[in-house]
Amino acid sequence: AQTVTQSQPEMSVQEAETVTLSCTYDTSESDYYLFWYKQPPSRQMILVIRQEAYKQQNATENRFSVNFQKAAKSFSLKISDSQLGDAAMYFCAYRIKAAGNKLTFGGGTRVLVKP
Amino acid sequence: ETGVTQSPTHLIKTRGQQVTLRCSSQSGHNTVSWYQQALGQGPQFIFQYYREEENGRGNFPPRFSGLQFPNYSSELNVNALELDDSALYLCASSLSAGSYEQYFGPGTRLTVT
Repeated sequence: AQTVTQSQPEMSVQEAETVTLSCTYDTSESDYYLFWYKQPPSRQMILVIRQEAYKQQNATENRFSVNFQKAAKSFSLKISDSQLGDAAMYFCAYRIKAAGNKLTFGGGTRVLVKP
Repeated sequence: ETGVTQSPTHLIKTRGQQVTLRCSSQSGHNTVSWYQQALGQGPQFIFQYYREEENGRGNFPPRFSGLQFPNYSSELNVNALELDDSALYLCASSLSAGSYEQYFGPGTRLTVT
């Protein structure tokens, strides 16, 4: 079975500080995408960052960056200079390129930002 | 350009009833996926429609069915509702079946009593 595991149910960070969310996944496929999605209380999933498995360079989007370790099947998200608006549920997900748009999600990590 | 919209926002049904949830895709998108998100969990893939045909399904029973219309709007139908069907139902649209980016709607909260 293909699974995504987020071992941290909740993380707390001080405003302007850095927090890292962990994610591990299990797949026998070699060609896939990895994603981090943010779900605020409004419930709408928002794409934060994506990584293509064949690219060794870690993706970066402004204050968000990933540490992709393909051999270890690890895909962590680092949020730098945390802002109050970053408070939300964060979900790690992957998609096998040959499986259409099916996303497999982890259980999520709640991020709390303290002012 | 309008985003993905879903209706209704909230819904309360009784066990055994049937329900229809609706999704309007983002303009120009021909693929829609539906997900079920139980409270405190990550979303689970139900199925995907591409140009009005189902072309991928998750581990959900046949009482979960769908439709996609020529304008690419979509419906999710659930028959014989069970208490465990209580969840947030999300739809996501994309430009095509192979697009890496999906745009999610705000979801429909279904409560089965």
